Amino acid sequence: RKEVEQDPGPFNVPEGATVAFNCTYSNSASQSFFWYRQDCRKEPKLLMSVYSSGNEDGRFTAQLNRASQYISLLIRDSKLSDSATYLCVVPYGGSQGNLIFGKGTKLSVKP
Amino acid sequence: EPEVTQTPSHQVTQMGQEVILRCVPISNHLYFYWYRQILGQKVEFLVSFYNNEISEKSEIFDDQFSVERPDGSNFTLKIRSTKLEDSAMYFCASQGAVGYTFGSGTRLTVV
Repeated sequence: RKEVEQDPGPFNVPEGATVAFNCTYSNSASQSFFWYRQDCRKEPKLLMSVYSSGNEDGRFTAQLNRASQYISLLIRDSKLSDSATYLCVVPYGGSQGNLIFGKGTKLSVKP
Repeated sequence: EPEVTQTPSHQVTQMGQEVILRCVPISNHLYFYWYRQILGQKVEFLVSFYNNEISEKSEIFDDQFSVERPDGSNFTLKIRSTKLEDSAMYFCASQGAVGYTFGSGTRLTVV
């Protein structure tokens, strides 16, 4: 069974805080991983791709632990605009495979 | 920036009616997908389409559903004899070299 599991939250943090989300996946053959951001009633939008041990883009850092089948997303210096649901996504079946979504972790950044 | 366009943005239909959801993928993409998200739940894969045929479908995608690429630009999802539980956001996505791009979705409400 193809599963992607996330802590649903919500995570309520003050502006400027550092917050980390975790995700575990069941398909050990997966080679690429994604973090998407979804605002309320909007489409998922790609935040970061992870193909090796990790990736960093500004305030966002994603890390991958293949042995534990675990992916994390770290957000530093949180902004109000970071408030959203963060979706852990794992392709199934190779680079052209369909995407398996986690249920998402809701983040609320407060002033 | 190229985008995936979906119409209509909101569709209300009576139970038992047929609906067609429309998508215009990014023009040079080759892989197309439909996903759905029931309110409060995770995004779920429905079907993938490549080279004018279905390449994979989930167990959700039963005989009630069909997809078509009637011309060089449109990609449609038809839902026959709609049920209350078909109410959801339906997202079209296309995949190119840099990954998946989602449309803004069609909110289907079956009454």
